[in-house]
Amino acid sequence: GNSVTQMEGPVTLSEEAFLTINCTYTATGYPSLFWYVQYPGEGLQLLLKATKADDKGSNKGFEATYRKETTSFHLEKGSVQVSDSAVYFCALVHTNAGKSTFGDGTTLTVKP
Amino acid sequence: GAVVSQHPSWVICKSGTSVKIECRSLDFQATTMFWYRQFPKQSLMLMATSNEGSKATYEQGVEKDKFLINHASLTLSTLTVTSAHPEDSSFYICSAIVYKYNEQFFGPGTRLTVL
Repeated sequence: GNSVTQMEGPVTLSEEAFLTINCTYTATGYPSLFWYVQYPGEGLQLLLKATKADDKGSNKGFEATYRKETTSFHLEKGSVQVSDSAVYFCALVHTNAGKSTFGDGTTLTVKP
Repeated sequence: GAVVSQHPSWVICKSGTSVKIECRSLDFQATTMFWYRQFPKQSLMLMATSNEGSKATYEQGVEKDKFLINHASLTLSTLTVTSAHPEDSSFYICSAIVYKYNEQFFGPGTRLTVL
């Protein structure tokens, strides 16, 4: 079946540091890949997505590239801010099924 | 963009009572919605897939008589937690899928606390 493995957290960084959160997946066919962000007490917000190999999703300074050869979708940001502190989820959606498969989430804390 | 709302945003109830949570797609029609449960500091666990006009499909281990799902229209799905107990306390999140984008849009979640 489909699965998503995320880098374990928590991750603590200083403001303006470089961020990488690793995500690898297992799936048949060609899933779409997503990163979601969840702030305390809230639902999930889509951060970025990629629907095919070599696509790069980007939003608010975050980027992730769909790498089929390594089955990865690592999240990166060049300079994090305190406001980026949240839980980040990597997920895939298989085209035919429609259901999402989520990673376990990675908690990011950015200190001033 | 596609917006999904949930109501209520939080609810506190006594053990043994039933609680209904609504999930609405505000600006699009959703033939398929999903219900998730999230425990503190954990990931989302898919409970069931709600299909308009038909019975919901429950994931393994989810009691369908405990968690009743009704998808009565293309914009509304409801989750009823029957005879709630403290162990049902959790954060419940719904989502609706827009197939042409192969993307889910999530509601803001409902915090259920059973005393």
